[in-house]
Amino acid sequence: GQQLNQSPQSMFIQEGEDVSMNCTSSSIFNTWLWYKQDPGEGPVLLIALYKAGELTSNGRLTAQFGITRKDSFLNISASIPSDVGIYFCAGPGYGKLTFGQGTILTVHP
Amino acid sequence: DAGVIQSPRHEVTEMGQEVTLRCKPISGHDYLFWYRQTMMRGLELLIYFNNNVPIDDSGMPEDRFSAKMPNASFSTLKIQPSEPRDSAVYFCASSFIGGDTEAFFGQGTRLTVV
Repeated sequence: GQQLNQSPQSMFIQEGEDVSMNCTSSSIFNTWLWYKQDPGEGPVLLIALYKAGELTSNGRLTAQFGITRKDSFLNISASIPSDVGIYFCAGPGYGKLTFGQGTILTVHP
Repeated sequence: DAGVIQSPRHEVTEMGQEVTLRCKPISGHDYLFWYRQTMMRGLELLIYFNNNVPIDDSGMPEDRFSAKMPNASFSTLKIQPSEPRDSAVYFCASSFIGGDTEAFFGQGTRLTVV
């Protein structure tokens, strides 16, 4: 089946630093989704990408859909403590979403 | 809309007991998904329904797991008999068009089997 590989698995950063994480796949995706999961909650969609090469921003978040359609990147600028959580990439196919393993982000004040 | 509603939020049960997890999807959503989350395996899709019909149950780990969707506003995931290795957070999610769009997740049920 389809698999998504996320890196890094975890990050420990200081408040105010920028963060970058990525997701790669052996398969081509036509859509890339980035979710965030707060502790004790379900994942919530942050950004959706629908076109190869697309660069989309949502506040301090910026995500890009790789030109090969096999990868995507998520950047967070000027991190704050509430950015802590698990970030997942997801790609649709065959009527369902496949999720990456997640990147655990810890932000030290 | 209140979003996807799952119950209970927490469940502690003894090994061998039957466990039933419940989900109410967002009204109007035609797709419903059950996921399991563990530290080791991350988010795993167990089964999904379209218009109340199970479409893909290949992620259901064993015959001890079963899921039903008797109507558009209710689904259950049942484990019988439960085992300690079933301990995980179980999420229900729903979507309007299907897997090609955003899925909305419930808050999850944290299951502990002792």
